[in-house]
Parts: sequence; structure tokens; C-alpha cells
Amino acid sequence: NAGVTQTPKFRVLKTGQSMTLLCAQDMNHEYMYWYRQDPGMGLRLIHYSVGEGTTAKGEVPDGYNVSRLKKQNFLLGLESAAPSQTSVYFCASTHMGSNQPQHFGDGTRLSIL
Amino acid sequence: GESVGLHLPTLSVQEGDNSIINCAYSNSASDYFIWYKQESGKGPQFIIDIRSNMDKRQGQRVTVLLNKTVKHLSLQIAATQPGDSAVYFCAENFFGSYKLIFGSGTRLLVRP
Repeated sequence: NAGVTQTPKFRVLKTGQSMTLLCAQDMNHEYMYWYRQDPGMGLRLIHYSVGEGTTAKGEVPDGYNVSRLKKQNFLLGLESAAPSQTSVYFCASTHMGSNQPQHFGDGTRLSIL
Repeated sequence: GESVGLHLPTLSVQEGDNSIINCAYSNSASDYFIWYKQESGKGPQFIIDIRSNMDKRQGQRVTVLLNKTVKHLSLQIAATQPGDSAVYFCAENFFGSYKLIFGSGTRLLVRP
């Protein structure tokens, strides 16, 4: 049971390049989330999804897009990468309903030069 | 190495001692609370949770205490081990919300 798997684990981009981060979960979770983690700022929610085909904005959505075409996958896209998007990105998932813990992947470390 | 938490509060304890990590939560409507452990280079790992109808819950070597009156949560780790060295986050949620609100974290260092 892999849980939440994120690819790639590391990536270096040049300013203006685009890329997609992939999150896959094998727990049949309905809800999925993308966070970024920066030093001293904790986890900040970028976008989330409460089901296949649905997405919603979180706390810091600007510069990112997401898609949830399949229940098990949640994609995070950077259309035109900026140095301010250098961060560690985490994906999480959980079962439907509140009062459920989110389960996290091990992150993608992204550097924008 | 992991760059997260450069300015986090740090708790340093001797191996074998008990550790207490505190968290003040923000929303009086929150009714569900979680503690996560994050090791260097890893994602947050679920440790233990508690609902607001309880004031104490115990797991293996860990206990979570909830004081709703002062909106305070604590994580107690018994007989702290070197493998417990990590950053610990609390998170809160309220009924009907899809989202968790995370605290900024505390770094636990275990001295051998």
C-alpha cells in the first residue's frame, strides 16, 4: 500500500517554464489537497478537490492550476514559473467528511532559477 | 537537508525524558484536532487525533490533551527517543469544513 505518491521528488526550473506535479493516492480518498511549505510559514493550502472533476481555491492559489480528472490523481500545474514559487510542495488526501486526518506524500522540492 | 522550520521554536530534551509540545489553536468552533510529525525530507505523518468531546486520548507512548476553555492542545511523548527528533505540527478542523488549519510547528531535539 503506497499511500500518497508524488512525482517528481526534485525539480529545477528556469523562470517562465511550465511544469506539472503529479499526486496519486491508492486509498480511494474523495478529498485531495495541494500545499506549499516555506521556512517559517508552515503549510499553506494552494488548491483542493472534494471529488473527481471538482476543484477549489485555497489560501494561495495565484500562479497555480489544478485538475482532478481521475479520483486517484490530483495534478498541480505551474503555467509560468517564478522564483517566488520555489518551495516544497505536498499533496494530501482524506476520506469524505470532516474529522478525518489528511495523509501526506513526501513532497516535491522545486527550485525556480 | 530540510530547510523547513528555520525559525521554529525548539524543545530540547534528554533521551528517556518525557516531552511536552504545546499548541494554541485559533478557532473556538474547531472540533477536531490532529498532531503530525515531520522528519527531515519527509511529509507530515499522522500521530494522533482527538475530537472536542474528549479532553484526553492516549496512543502508543503519546498522549494528547485538549483544553477547550483556553483553546490549548498538547502532545506528550513518554520516554523520548532519538527517533522522535522532528518538527511537530498541530492542526484543527471544524465540522463542515474541508480544510485543516495548521500551526507553525515546534522542533523537538533529543539529546543522547
